[in-house]
Amino acid sequence: DGGITQSPKYLFRKEGQNVTLSCEQNLNHDAMYWYRQDPGQGLRLIYYSQIVNDFQKGDIAEGYSVSREKKESFPLTVTSAQKNPTAFYLCASSIQYQETQYFGPGTRLLVL
Amino acid sequence: KNEVEQSPQNLTAQEGEFITINCSYSVGISALHWLQQHPGGGIVSLFMLSSGKKKHGRLIATINIQEKHSSLHITASHPRDSAVYICASNFGNEKLTFGTGTRLTIIP
Repeated sequence: DGGITQSPKYLFRKEGQNVTLSCEQNLNHDAMYWYRQDPGQGLRLIYYSQIVNDFQKGDIAEGYSVSREKKESFPLTVTSAQKNPTAFYLCASSIQYQETQYFGPGTRLLVL
Repeated sequence: KNEVEQSPQNLTAQEGEFITINCSYSVGISALHWLQQHPGGGIVSLFMLSSGKKKHGRLIATINIQEKHSSLHITASHPRDSAVYICASNFGNEKLTFGTGTRLTIIP
């Protein structure tokens, strides 16, 4: 079955720690995206990648980093520089940039 | 800067009722998206449209480009339609701008 997966479902971060959220898709999509969702707010774009080995900052990239070494994978690292990381993180992909996006199930990040 | 507003924020209805959720945006767009977010957090894309109307099952999405307004309708609503419905729009190659969502609850 084709789809997009995220792991883990829940993630706990200690102060000063970097954590990495996984996002994998087997839909052969060129574009991938990372969003953050906070209560009462719309989805906000962190980073996006239109093609493998290329990515661009979104609206709230500070304190985050990504890589796109493989077409199928777009991991997001939440660094210690992100002072308020508690949120629901959603990964998405689309066949091309700005086409219909397919979302993963999300990862909920909590700070201990 | 594009802004997307949805109304109502919350909507409760009885099973079988006809549902309308509204979305307004502030600048010209290339496409308008409707998404459904289930209670567990997963998001499904329902429609992507740039003009006219699209229908899928009991869901209908319409857009009025001149008025910068889109509506999502649900006919014969069912408790399984209970979810948060999100609209988003973009112009050209700019990123999507998302509304804050409409929480729909259908009571049996």
